[in-house]
This record gives sequence, structure tokens and C-alpha cells, in this order.
Amino acid sequence: QVQLQESGPGLVEPSQTLSLTCAVSGGSISSGGYYWSWVRQHPGEGLEWIGYIYYRGSTYYNPSLKSRVTISLDTSANQFSLKLSSVTAADTAVYYCARVTYGVPWFDPWGQGTLVTVSS
Amino acid sequence: QSVLTQPPSVSGAPGQRVNISCTGSSSNIGAGYDVHWYQQYPGTAPKLLIFGNYNRPSGVPDRFSGSKSDTSASLAITGLQAEDEADYYCQSHDRSLSGSVFGGGTKLTVL
Repeated sequence: QVQLQESGPGLVEPSQTLSLTCAVSGGSISSGGYYWSWVRQHPGEGLEWIGYIYYRGSTYYNPSLKSRVTISLDTSANQFSLKLSSVTAADTAVYYCARVTYGVPWFDPWGQGTLVTVSS
Repeated sequence: QSVLTQPPSVSGAPGQRVNISCTGSSSNIGAGYDVHWYQQYPGTAPKLLIFGNYNRPSGVPDRFSGSKSDTSASLAITGLQAEDEADYYCQSHDRSLSGSVFGGGTKLTVL
């Protein structure tokens, strides 16, 4: 079965770029039928969709974050990445990666999540 | 403020039934997009509970059921158990945003 695992720095300085990677095992991100997505959760709050990327490279971003977000694929490493630029304390959150079913998008499975704190 | 509206909290005694509502608009649920539900325990990732309005993934007890009507959806949990105490989120697609939207989440307390 497909499993996802996030990795990246747990602490990012304000104004810098947050960079996370999601390693996928048990399946290929190059196979059709799925988007690969990032979702975040601010401490004590609900879930916020950040964006997704299709295996062919097309991307879809939350309009509220679109100017700062880039999601990309690394098919050779079977992983995908998130970059969020110009971060502030408001970007402190647990970041999850997830697989999303194409066409009727639901999120399953999810990675375990990684806490990223923005602070100097 | 979330695009999909859920009650912040619900509660029920063991064995009882609770319903969690999820209200959207003509841009998402009312546009015909499916609703999905997730269960999240503290400190863990969300888990898919219901997909496509009323379908349960393998391993999800039939005590959990989903429904959808017009611009809203509902998650019902019957025969409440202590292990059901968790946060529940609804999710759909929004055509104005061209992406996914989540409800604000509902904390279920088993009394």
C-alpha cells in the first residue's frame, strides 16, 4: 500500500523559504489517476488545502497562497516537494502531504505530518 | 473562516447517535461535488472516513454513515463508543477556488 513521509527543516526564519519533501513508497507518483497534495494545519485549528500537482506536472494552488507556493515532482526519486516563500509566523503549522484521487478529489493516504515553526 | 461550515462541537453518551452537519454553497456541495469526511485524533494525521458522500473505506465500521442533500452533508455515528472521540472534518471541491475546501472541524466528545 502507498505510504507518504514528509521531511524538511522544523524551523524556518521569517522571510525565508519553507521547503518540504514528501517521499512516496509502495506506488509510483508517475502513474495516472492521482494528484499529490499538501495540506496544513495551524496549531489548534482546522485543515487548509495548499495545492496539488498532477503526475503530468499541472498544478493547482489555493488562491490565498498562490503567489508564494510552488509544488513540484521529482519522478526519479518518487517524491514531490513544497516551497512556500516569504514565510511569517502565520505559516507556522503542521504540514501534511497526501495522495488525492483524480476527478473526485479525496485525500488518502496522508503522511504523518511535520511541524514547521517560523521564528528567528 | 472555513468555506464549509461545521458545528465546533457535538457530544453524546456511549451507545447514542450523533450527527455532524457540513454546510456549503452553490459553489461546492450545491454544485454537485462529492463530500468526504475525515477523522483526526490529537497529534495524528487525518484519516479518510467517508468518501463520495456515503462510501466507507475498508476497515471503517458501519456505525459511520454519510449523506448529502442540496448544499449540505451530514455524518452520522451510531452506537457511540469512547474511541470515537476525535475531530471530524468534511471536505469537498469548490469551483470558484478550483480546489479543495475543508470544514472547520467538529470535536466529538463521548460523555
